[in-house]
Amino acid sequence: EAQVTQNPRYLITVTGKKLTVTCSQNMNHEYMSWYRQDPGLGLRQIYYSMNVEVTDKGDVPEGYKVSRKEKRNFPLILESPSPNQTSLYFCASSLYPTTAHTDTQYFGPGTRLTVL
Amino acid sequence: GIQVEQSPPDLILQEGANSTLRCNFSDSVNNLQWFHQNPWGQLINLFYIPSGTKQNGRLSATTVATERYSLLYISSSQTTDSGVYFCAVESMGGGADGLTFGKGTHLIIQP
Repeated sequence: EAQVTQNPRYLITVTGKKLTVTCSQNMNHEYMSWYRQDPGLGLRQIYYSMNVEVTDKGDVPEGYKVSRKEKRNFPLILESPSPNQTSLYFCASSLYPTTAHTDTQYFGPGTRLTVL
Repeated sequence: GIQVEQSPPDLILQEGANSTLRCNFSDSVNNLQWFHQNPWGQLINLFYIPSGTKQNGRLSATTVATERYSLLYISSSQTTDSGVYFCAVESMGGGADGLTFGKGTHLIIQP
């Protein structure tokens, strides 16, 4: 079954304690990205990756890091989480044609993070 | 960047009613998707529809790309249709920026 998986689904942590949210897709997609969803602000892109070892900042990258060492995995790293990073996080992937954005993005189930 | 506006922001209907949700966008797009976020937070892809009309059961969507809007129709609403509906677009000149989301329409279907 084609899917995007995220772990953990729920996490409560404390300020400053490093954490990683994993994201994995089994569709051999080149393009992956992370979004956060906040009330009244909708979903905003944090980082994206066009392929292995190619990552770039989205709209709200401050406080986050990513890596893309393998095509299927795109972990989101919070080196020193703060309460304003409390949010619902989504990972997404799509097949990224070089000539046009003609594919849908597939979303993971979401990770609800609370930073105390 | 591209702007996405959805209306109405909130909608309360009785079961069985029909509804129309609207998405306006400020630039030409080569990707437009409608999502349903259920009460558990899960995002479900409803339609990929940068232009034209599609139907899937009680749901249908139409995008008029030249006029920069898309409509999502829900017929014979059921309580399971409740949740937030998001429109998301990707600008034609947007490089690899991914999807820009509207703020959503919060739909409540009452029994």
